[in-house]
Amino acid sequence: GAVVSQHPSWVICKSGTSVKIECRSLDFQATTMFWYRQFPKQSLMLMATSNEGSKATYEQGVEKDKFLINHASLTLSTLTVTSAHPEDSSFYICSARDLTDTGELFFGEGSRLTVL
Amino acid sequence: GNSVTQMEGPVTLSEEAFLTINCTYTATGYPSLFWYVQYPGEGLQLLLKATKADDKGSNKGFEATYRKETTSFHLEKGSVQVSDSAVYFCALQTGANNLFFGTGTRLTVIP
Repeated sequence: GAVVSQHPSWVICKSGTSVKIECRSLDFQATTMFWYRQFPKQSLMLMATSNEGSKATYEQGVEKDKFLINHASLTLSTLTVTSAHPEDSSFYICSARDLTDTGELFFGEGSRLTVL
Repeated sequence: GNSVTQMEGPVTLSEEAFLTINCTYTATGYPSLFWYVQYPGEGLQLLLKATKADDKGSNKGFEATYRKETTSFHLEKGSVQVSDSAVYFCALQTGANNLFFGTGTRLTVIP
C-alpha cells in the first residue's frame, strides 16, 4: 500500500518553543491531508483538513493560530505547534488520501510531542 | 452526533484463541464502517471495511459484519497469531472526509 511518513517520530521541547512536524506521502500525491490528535486512552480527534495550495480547514475548538498547517506541495503537509505548553503534549497523526483513489486514507506512524 | 464505542483493552490471548473486539456506533445517516490496525512503530492501516448494512468485511482471517439493527461492527478472528498483536481501531465515516474513531483496543497474543 501507499506510504505516509511523519517526522520526527518523537520530540521533546521546552515550554514556549515551536515545533514543526512533517507529513509526507512517499509514493503518491495527496491534495488532501488530515491531522489528528490522540490523547492517552482516547480516540483520534480530527484537528484540521489540509488542502494543497489553500488554507487548512480547522475543526471546532482547534486554535488555528496555535496549530499552523501548511500544505505547500502535493506530497508534504506540516503542522507547527507554536509556543508549545505542556498541555499540547500529545500524539499527532497525519493521514493522506491518494489523488487518484476514491476513498482509502493512508496514515503516518505518528509523532509524539512532549513539552516540558 | 457521530461516535464509536469499542471495548476497552488491553486484551491478552493465547495463540490460536478466538478473538472478538466489540464495536458499536451512533451515526446520522448511513455510515461506512472500518477497522484499522496499528502495529508497533507503524501507522494505522486499513484492515477491513463495510459500506452498507449486512455487508461483511474480511481480511487476513479477520471478519466484521455491519449490523444496522444493533448498530454494531464487531471484529472477529477464529485463531489469532502472535503477529496479530497490535492496536485495533473501529471507525465510521459519514461524509467525504471525516473519520470518527473509537479509543482503540490493544491486543497481545502470547505464544
